Parts: sequence; C-alpha cells; structure tokens
Amino acid sequence: GPKVLQIPSHQIIDMGQMVTLNCDPVSNHLYFYWYKQILGQQMEFLVNFYNGKVMEKSKLFKDQFSVERPDGSYFTLKIQPTALEDSAVYFCASSLALGGRRAETLYFGSGTRLTVL
Amino acid sequence: GDSVTQKQGQVTLSEDDFLFINCTYSTTTYPTLLWYVQYLGQGPQLLLKVTTANNKGISRGFEATYDKGTTSFHLQKASVQESDSAVYFCALVDLNTGYQNFYFGKGTSLTVIP
Repeated sequence: GPKVLQIPSHQIIDMGQMVTLNCDPVSNHLYFYWYKQILGQQMEFLVNFYNGKVMEKSKLFKDQFSVERPDGSYFTLKIQPTALEDSAVYFCASSLALGGRRAETLYFGSGTRLTVL
Repeated sequence: GDSVTQKQGQVTLSEDDFLFINCTYSTTTYPTLLWYVQYLGQGPQLLLKVTTANNKGISRGFEATYDKGTTSFHLQKASVQESDSAVYFCALVDLNTGYQNFYFGKGTSLTVIP
C-alpha cells in the first residue's frame, strides 16, 4: 500500500538545540499531519498542513514548532529550541486532498523517536 | 466537540479467545469511524472503516458496526492469534468542519498469549 517515509528513525539531541524531522508523504497526497505520541500514551494531534499553509494546530503545537514543505520536498517539523518534554515519537501522516470519500484515510509513517537530553 | 473514548487500556487473551474492544464516540455530525492498528515499532495502519451508520466494516477477521443509536463502534474478532498483539486505536474523522479532523482514542493494547 501507500508508504510514508520518516527520516531519521531516531534522533538524540541536547536540550535547547534545534531539530528537524523529515517526512516523505505518499506521492499524490496533499494533506499532511504531525502527531506526537509519548511512550504508551495516546497519539495527539499537532498540526495539519495543506496548500502551503497550516490549516489547524493544537495546543501542543508550541511557538517553538514550525512546519513547511518547500516545493514538493520533505514535509518537515522543526523544533527550535527543544525542551525535555518534547521527547516523544513523532508520526507524520498524509491523505488525499480534502473532500469526498477518498480523503478519509490517514497513512502514517513509522515515526521518529526524539530524545531530548 | 468531537471525541472518541476507549476505556480499556490493556487486554490480555489466549489464542482462539474472542476479542471485544470498546469504543464510543461523541459528535454532532455524521462522521466516518475507523480502527487503526499499531504493531510494535511501526506507525498506525488502517484496519477498517465505516462511513455509513448501521453498516459494518470487516477486515482480516476483525469487524466493527457503526451503531448510531448507542454511538459505539466496538471492535470484535471471533478468534485471536498471537500475531494480533498490537495497540488498537478507534478514530473518528469529521469532514464537515471545512478541513479534515481525525480524533483518536487512547488506544487499547492487546496481548495474545500462545
């Protein structure tokens, strides 16, 4: 089936540093998402992105977070500066454009495990 | 607002046991209901979805019925196998807000003992 790729699978950084998580969504998808999952807990929505813009973001999407997808390259989540509580697995997801029954399925990557020391 | 509730955090069964995972939802619209499964070390993947009330979704021996009356979408399987051990998430998607919103439950961790 369709694949979402996330690079890297693991990232360890020191608190206060910047980190960029990369996502290669399914090729014909136009809606992109980031979710955060702390070990053993629920997946929590961070942000969705369409047509170059953030459409919706949650309270977890702090000012230190930003997303972009310049010209069809990776969809990225940047955290600057990082904090200890940012340690989690971050899942990227994508779906077909808004509208119609085709848009009702999210395809997830395998996640990037971020450890902030 | 929309929400999904899964009360069972962990379920432990033996092979060939019957599986029942509870899921209820709250919404003011007519959402699509989905079950995702997450195997260890992987991202969640779609197990099944149902778009119309009173319909049933079936996949790989799992089934769930969209019950609008009780606002439930429980997941069932007649006979589980060790390979079914995973975390199962109930989800709701609402296309009526103008953009897509997926709401996930907290997940139920299933362990099947051989």
